[in-house]
Amino acid sequence: EDQVTQSPEALRLQEGESSSLNCSYTVSGLRGLFWYRQDPGKGPEFLFTLYSAGEEKEKERLKATLTKKESFLHITAPKPEDSATYLCATSGGSEKLVFGKGTKLTVNP
Amino acid sequence: DSGVTQTPKHLITATGQRVTLRCSPRSGDLSVYWYQQSLDQGLQFLIQYYNGEERAKGNILERFSAQQFPDLHSELNLSSLELGDSALYFCASSVQEGISPLHFGNGTRLTVT
Repeated sequence: EDQVTQSPEALRLQEGESSSLNCSYTVSGLRGLFWYRQDPGKGPEFLFTLYSAGEEKEKERLKATLTKKESFLHITAPKPEDSATYLCATSGGSEKLVFGKGTKLTVNP
Repeated sequence: DSGVTQTPKHLITATGQRVTLRCSPRSGDLSVYWYQQSLDQGLQFLIQYYNGEERAKGNILERFSAQQFPDLHSELNLSSLELGDSALYFCASSVQEGISPLHFGNGTRLTVT
């Protein structure tokens, strides 16, 4: 069965302090690795899709990378508005997305 | 705004009751997914429909059922409710049947008392 583990569970950063979030996955035949952002009281918002090891995608201060066993979400010079829970999800042999429990990021001004 | 509409936003009901959650997908999206989110379990896949037909089932209880109508909106029916069913229920849609980004609504928060 597909499994996704995210670490750390929570992360506090100062504004401008860069860091990375980790997503480790176990799937039979990766068909896609997805990153989402979720704000309190809202549904997850799609950020990136990665399909193969070595692929990278960027959006503003966020950069997602993918290896054969894990994905990283790098946050460069974060701002308070980047505070949210970041979710990772994978799709292997089935049509459903399997989500990790997320990393709650807090960026202090 | 994702374009996915869920109603109601909040629902408070008693144990043993039955409720219906409604979802309108993004314009043009044929696939609808239902997920349950609780604090300890994270997002759990319940069921997927594509153009009116059930395509995949996850950890959906027998007390729960869903359907997708010809106009592509979907309903999730929860019956014989228990305290443990209290959670956020999200609907998501995508343009195709296969793997593609899901676009989520803002959920229905169900509280069973």
